[in-house]
Amino acid sequence: SAVISQKPSRDICQRGTSLTIQCQVDSQVTMMFWYRQQPGQSLTLIATANQGSEATYESGFVIDKFPISRPNLTFSTLTVSNMSPEDSSIYLCSVPEGDSYNEQFFGPGTRLTVL
Amino acid sequence: AQTVTQSQPEMSVQEAETVTLSCTYDTSESDYYLFWYKQPPSRQMILVIRQEAYKQQNATENRFSVNFQKAAKSFSLKISDSQLGDAAMYFCAYRSGGDYKLSFGAGTTVTVRA
Repeated sequence: SAVISQKPSRDICQRGTSLTIQCQVDSQVTMMFWYRQQPGQSLTLIATANQGSEATYESGFVIDKFPISRPNLTFSTLTVSNMSPEDSSIYLCSVPEGDSYNEQFFGPGTRLTVL
Repeated sequence: AQTVTQSQPEMSVQEAETVTLSCTYDTSESDYYLFWYKQPPSRQMILVIRQEAYKQQNATENRFSVNFQKAAKSFSLKISDSQLGDAAMYFCAYRSGGDYKLSFGAGTTVTVRA
C-alpha cells in the first residue's frame, strides 16, 4: 500500500488562527480525501481533493472554512481557518488503492487542539 | 446518504477468546463494499477486512472473519483468539460501488482482558 504522511502530527492553536495540514503520498493518486474525527466520535468526510480542479465538499463543510489545495497527484493540503475550540479534532487524509481502488488507506492523522 | 449503525459502544473479551462486533447498514444499492477498520490509541486507521457485496463468500483475514448477511444488511466482524494487540476502536464502513467515499459507523471499543 501507499505510504501516506501528514504534517504536523499534532498542534495546539489559538482561536481565530488558521492551520494548514499537509498530506503526502509516495505514489501518484487520482483522489485524496480529508476526514474529520471529533473527540470520541467517528470519521466524517470533509471533502474530496481533486487534482486540477476545485475540491468537492460534503454537506456541512464549506470552502471558506476548510480550503483545500491539490497541486499535484502526490500532495494535498487542508487549512482549518478562523479556528474555534469546536474545530479540535483529528484530521486524516486518505487515498483509495488496490484493484479498482477497492480499498482505502489513511494517513496517521493530525491531532488539532484549539484553545 | 447511507447509514451505518454499530449498536455496541463497547465490548470486552478475554484473551484467546472470541468476540463478535455487529454492524448494520441501510442502502438501496446492489453494488457496494463493506469494511472493518481498526483504530488503536495511536489513531492510525488500519484496514482489517473488506467484503464486496457481490461475493457470497464471507471474507477472512487470519483471525478476523465476517458474517455478511446481504438480505438482512448485516456485516459482523468476528475476532478469534483475541490478543492484547487487538484492543482498539473498530469502525464499520460502507462504500458505494459508484463512489469512493466512506461512510462510517459510530465505532465499537474493544477491550482485551489478560
